[in-house]
Amino acid sequence: DGGITQSPKYLFRKEGQNVTLSCEQNLNHDAMYWYRQDPGQGLRLIYYSQIVNDFQKGDIAEGYSVSREKKESFPLTVTSAQKNPTAFYLCASRQKITDTQYFGPGTRLTVL
Amino acid sequence: QKEVEQNSGPLSVPEGAIASLNCTYSDRGSQSFFWYRQYSGKSPELIMSIYSNGDKEDGRFTAQLNKASQYVSLLIRDSQPSDSATYLCAGKISGGYNKLIFGAGTRLAVHP
Repeated sequence: DGGITQSPKYLFRKEGQNVTLSCEQNLNHDAMYWYRQDPGQGLRLIYYSQIVNDFQKGDIAEGYSVSREKKESFPLTVTSAQKNPTAFYLCASRQKITDTQYFGPGTRLTVL
Repeated sequence: QKEVEQNSGPLSVPEGAIASLNCTYSDRGSQSFFWYRQYSGKSPELIMSIYSNGDKEDGRFTAQLNKASQYVSLLIRDSQPSDSATYLCAGKISGGYNKLIFGAGTRLAVHP
């Protein structure tokens, strides 16, 4: 089955900890994205990558870091510098021919 | 600041009626628009994409785009309780960036 997977589904972080969220796709898409969604709000772009070994900051990159060493993988690290990380995190990849982004199932991060 | 605006709702319609969801955007150069449906606690799933002025129909769904008025809409005919969800409107940012701007979403409630 082709698709986007994210893990874990739920993640709990203690104050001062860094945590890494996984995103993998087997759709052969070049571009991948990380969004954050807070209750009652739309999606806000954290980072995106249009090609392997390249990525750009989105609108709310502070306190986050990413890497893109493989086409299939785009992990997001939430660092201790992110002061309010509790949110629903969504990974997406873009189908070039239709310009359409498809989403993974999401990771819900809670700070204890 | 490029924006996509949606009425947060809730929009309440009876079963079998037509639900009309609306979206306006500020980026006059935007060419591609997308409607996503998001059930509570789940990730967004693509409903429709539209790239040119006019109507585009897919089953019970019709997307409408008016670039002169910077207005996008989604009509759902014969609304069902299973259509109850939040509908996100997104537009692709102009200028060669492969990024979307999302509205905050409209919550639709279809009651029997």
